[in-house]
Amino acid sequence: AQRVTQPEKLLSVFKGAPVELKCNYSYSGSPELFWYVQYSRQRLQLLLRHISRESIKGFTADLNKGETSFHLKKPFAQEEDSAMYYCALSGGNFNKFYFGSGTKLNVKP
Amino acid sequence: NAGVMQNPRHLVRRRGQEARLRCSPMKGHSHVYWYRQLPEEGLKFMVYLQKENIIDESGMPKERFSAEFPKEGPSILRIQQVVRGDSAAYFCASSPPTKSYEQYFGPGTRLTVT
Repeated sequence: AQRVTQPEKLLSVFKGAPVELKCNYSYSGSPELFWYVQYSRQRLQLLLRHISRESIKGFTADLNKGETSFHLKKPFAQEEDSAMYYCALSGGNFNKFYFGSGTKLNVKP
Repeated sequence: NAGVMQNPRHLVRRRGQEARLRCSPMKGHSHVYWYRQLPEEGLKFMVYLQKENIIDESGMPKERFSAEFPKEGPSILRIQQVVRGDSAAYFCASSPPTKSYEQYFGPGTRLTVT
């Protein structure tokens, strides 16, 4: 079955600390992985896509097919990174997306 | 570009009534996705539509739910004979035809069934 798991509901770190938001997936084909972010009182928006291999706002994510993981990392968290983060998965035709339940990141001053 | 619009933002219906949720995609976007979010859960895919076509409706309940995206006008998610379990936030997202992976989300409609 296709599934995206985000094991942490809440992650609290201090400003300047490294942060890693975990995402594991289960998918029978060749997946496309994404991270979405929702800042307070804003809409859900795409943060990054694994295939682009970009760093957005200092965040990176590497697809590890052996461990079926796509963890989101940032070496030095900032207070403005506080938000809900959702990991999502799709097949190559993008007909359907599976979202994890989300991790709330709280960066403390 | 005003972004994806959804209306109403809040909708209250009594059990047995019909709910109609509207989604106006961004200009130039011909793909629309509908999702449902229950409290403390992630988004659950419901249906994917392109103009006048349903591409994938595997996430839609078999009864009472329907969706359309006509040639003109917004996409509509219709829930007939609502029950308490339909209470949720419903989100739509649109994407351009050449980048269907790039979803732009609306603000959502919160449906409450009393």
